[in-house]
Amino acid sequence: GENVEQHPSTLSVQEGDSAVIKCTYSDSASNYFPWYKQELGKRPQLIIDIRSNVGEKKDQRIAVTLNKTAKHFSLHITETQPEDSAVYFCAAKGWDGGSQGNLIFGKGTKLSVKP
Amino acid sequence: DAGVIQSPRHEVTEMGQEVTLRCKPISGHNSLFWYRQTMMRGLELLIYFNNNVPIDDSGMPEDRFSAKMPNASFSTLKIQPSEPRDSAVYFCASSHSGTGNSPLHFGNGTRLTVT
Repeated sequence: GENVEQHPSTLSVQEGDSAVIKCTYSDSASNYFPWYKQELGKRPQLIIDIRSNVGEKKDQRIAVTLNKTAKHFSLHITETQPEDSAVYFCAAKGWDGGSQGNLIFGKGTKLSVKP
Repeated sequence: DAGVIQSPRHEVTEMGQEVTLRCKPISGHNSLFWYRQTMMRGLELLIYFNNNVPIDDSGMPEDRFSAKMPNASFSTLKIQPSEPRDSAVYFCASSHSGTGNSPLHFGNGTRLTVT
């Protein structure tokens, strides 16, 4: 089955700097890669996703890149703000041989943005 | 749209008691997922349903755990008997599984404490 590795587990940046979180996956059949943000005590919420026919996607200060050959994808946050502080999860859509598959999550990255 | 609704928000119970967690998915969504979140293991998929049918329950830790989806608008996750190591936040999520990949929407979770 699918296995998703996420690095780093914690990341501390100064306000205004950029933050990069990287994930690798094992199943070459995976074709959907979302990123979720979870604030303390709240539910994970989708912030951006990318599909395997696209190499890069951007939404304001957030961008995601995908390298299918190397089986890795990354989240880039530019001009970080204190409200970006949260735990970020990457995920990959596994395939179970006929159904819609399921999302396998990385272990998460705790991002702290210092004012 | 009220989103995915879970109840209760918090549950405190004694070891050996039966615990039932409830979930109402977003109307029109035909896939439902139960996840467990702990500091040590992150977000783990327990089981997911497609059109009310359990597709993959390989993440269910033991026979003490069971899940049902009697209709498209309701699902339960039951733990009997509960143990202290079951303490975690349990998330229900739903999505629409059609020809493409649709985002996963999480409920607010149930924080379970077993003493």
